[in-house]
Amino acid sequence: GEDVEQSLFLSVREGDSSVINCTYTDSSSTYLYWYKQEPGAGLQLLTYIFSNMDMKQDQRLTVLLNKKDKHLSLRIADTQTGDSAIYFCADAYSSASKIIFGSGTRLSIRP
Amino acid sequence: EPEVTQTPSHQVTQMGQEVILRCVPISNHLYFYWYRQILGQKVEFLVSFYNNEISEKSEIFDDQFSVERPDGSNFTLKIRSTKLEDSAMYFCASSAPSIAGDYNEQFFGPGTRLTVL
Repeated sequence: GEDVEQSLFLSVREGDSSVINCTYTDSSSTYLYWYKQEPGAGLQLLTYIFSNMDMKQDQRLTVLLNKKDKHLSLRIADTQTGDSAIYFCADAYSSASKIIFGSGTRLSIRP
Repeated sequence: EPEVTQTPSHQVTQMGQEVILRCVPISNHLYFYWYRQILGQKVEFLVSFYNNEISEKSEIFDDQFSVERPDGSNFTLKIRSTKLEDSAMYFCASSAPSIAGDYNEQFFGPGTRLTVL
């Protein structure tokens, strides 16, 4: 069935890069997403990548997609305290389809 | 900027009671969704709704759940007889009409926290 897996925790030093990894099982996924959830808040779409792309860069965010291995990563450059949150990897067959979420990676920043 | 709104932000109910969670999607959107997130767990899809009918539902969305678009603006999720395990954050989402090949983001509301006692 459809599944998205990611590690639960990541701790990085302020100013370093954070890399959050994710694997998914559904080879028909067309859209792959990264969402951010701050404490007590809703889901904020950070970025998405279409399945025919290998990389997408948006300011401090870089998304890498290895479709063969069904592996997605999110790199946050120059990590700041405001980046502390839970980051959800997710996928969908189309942009109108249900979104399948991973369990979320809690990113904590140390000084 | 248009946004999805949800009311109430927090609902406390007794087990066995009916609850209705309300959502106002973005005005020109035609696709509507409910997701839930049990505390500390992943966000799970419940149901999608288009053209006044359910287009897809998960196995979580059993006979205790129903959705409705009672007028041109609201989208509701009803739980007929709540159980303790229904306690979760419920997120509504909506997206615009999809033209083939175009990407249309699902915009999420802030959520309703449902606590069943």
